[in-house]
Amino acid sequence: DAKTTQPNSMESNEEEPVHLPCNHSTISGTDYIHWYRQLPSQGPEYVIHGLTSNVNNRMASLAIAEDRKSSTLILHRATLRDAAVYYCILSALSNTGKLIFGQGTTLQVKP
Amino acid sequence: NAGVTQTPKFQVLKTGQSMTLQCAQDMNHEYMSWYRQDPGMGLRLIHYSVGAGITDQGEVPNGYNVSRSTTEDFPLRLLSAAPSQTSVYFCASSYGTSGSPNYFGPGTRLTVT
Repeated sequence: DAKTTQPNSMESNEEEPVHLPCNHSTISGTDYIHWYRQLPSQGPEYVIHGLTSNVNNRMASLAIAEDRKSSTLILHRATLRDAAVYYCILSALSNTGKLIFGQGTTLQVKP
Repeated sequence: NAGVTQTPKFQVLKTGQSMTLQCAQDMNHEYMSWYRQDPGMGLRLIHYSVGAGITDQGEVPNGYNVSRSTTEDFPLRLLSAAPSQTSVYFCASSYGTSGSPNYFGPGTRLTVT
């Protein structure tokens, strides 16, 4: 399974946009890019996923580089409730139910 | 829908005891999986299933058994608990189609003394 690289931690101010980067230089053509987040003492929560095109949903946006070797999760207006560990995970087309988690990025949101 | 449910929420075992962690989903998902999360770490895949009657090993399968007799249930068995199995256990499910998201349960916090 291809690996991802994320910064260990990031800080943001409340109500400002947050851009969480992820590098996945060994991504294969059929790997989906998934983002999950884990709030303290909870199970991971699905945020967004994409294959080639940028994606938007009510939680966030996902910007995927043209060569697909990197992506960015965008939270448009961070709130204190967005403080969590964010995981960028590659999921093979044939292994959707099998996620390999890295260390993720711990996002701190300051009031 | 209740989503993915896990029981118990907390459990304390003595070394050598056995137990079963329960996981159920009511979304008719084909894929189900078990993860463990040690303090300050990311999740690691223990076992997964792509449908009733089919299971496979993940990254850290030793010391755990699974079976999948129905679509809804995917229990995880610890045959002889060890202190190294102290962790938080999460169950997840997904449709298994192209890129479909996984939905996680609330977790079971297990302590082995």
